[in-house]
Amino acid sequence: EAGVTQFPSHSVIEKGQTVTLRCDPISGHDNLYWYRRVMGKEIKFLLHFVKESKQDESGMPNNRFLAERTGGTYSTLKVQPAELEDSGVYFCASSQVSRNTEAFFGQGTRLTVV
Amino acid sequence: AQSVTQPDIHITVSEGASLELRCNYSYGATPYLFWYVQSPGQGLQLLLKYFSGDTLVQGIKGFEAEFKRSQSSFNLRKPSVHWSDAAEYFCAVEGRGGSYIPTFGRGTSLIVHP
Repeated sequence: EAGVTQFPSHSVIEKGQTVTLRCDPISGHDNLYWYRRVMGKEIKFLLHFVKESKQDESGMPNNRFLAERTGGTYSTLKVQPAELEDSGVYFCASSQVSRNTEAFFGQGTRLTVV
Repeated sequence: AQSVTQPDIHITVSEGASLELRCNYSYGATPYLFWYVQSPGQGLQLLLKYFSGDTLVQGIKGFEAEFKRSQSSFNLRKPSVHWSDAAEYFCAVEGRGGSYIPTFGRGTSLIVHP
């Protein structure tokens, strides 16, 4: 069974450009989460989808970030325009909608804004 | 709101030595508790989890963790560290009342000397 996959693994962009990160969850997982880790800090929650609906986007830093989950399958996270402080590792995770289950994480996308 | 503290940013041990990584949490009741590991270039991998029952939890790769309610702790241990254990370790908690959104600590980087 394929795990959570994220594309690209690395991205280097200039300040002001746009970047789109993609996450393919494990098949059948309705929960999908985005997290971000800025260098040396904790992994911070960004938002949570249940199928195609945003359940909680309280962690989104500002309106330059837009997340979508088309048809309840894969998800994209777009940063437009990117700023230097957006640099970090963006993790995606998915889980089943049931109790006593854990989230499975992708390998992350390392975003560097220069 | 729940929070997690991992007081040690870096831990250095010799190969073969024992290991204990500390994790303290703040939550009004007993949360779900997790330890994840991130090896270089890899995603977050679940080492072990505590939902209920026996407070000493066994995980993969020879790791174990003990939930101590009185100390609000969930420390990770391994009796004999291998060089391949060098990685970053994250403790996470999730409140039982809401949807599954784990809150992470800032991580502890483990360095293993030969």
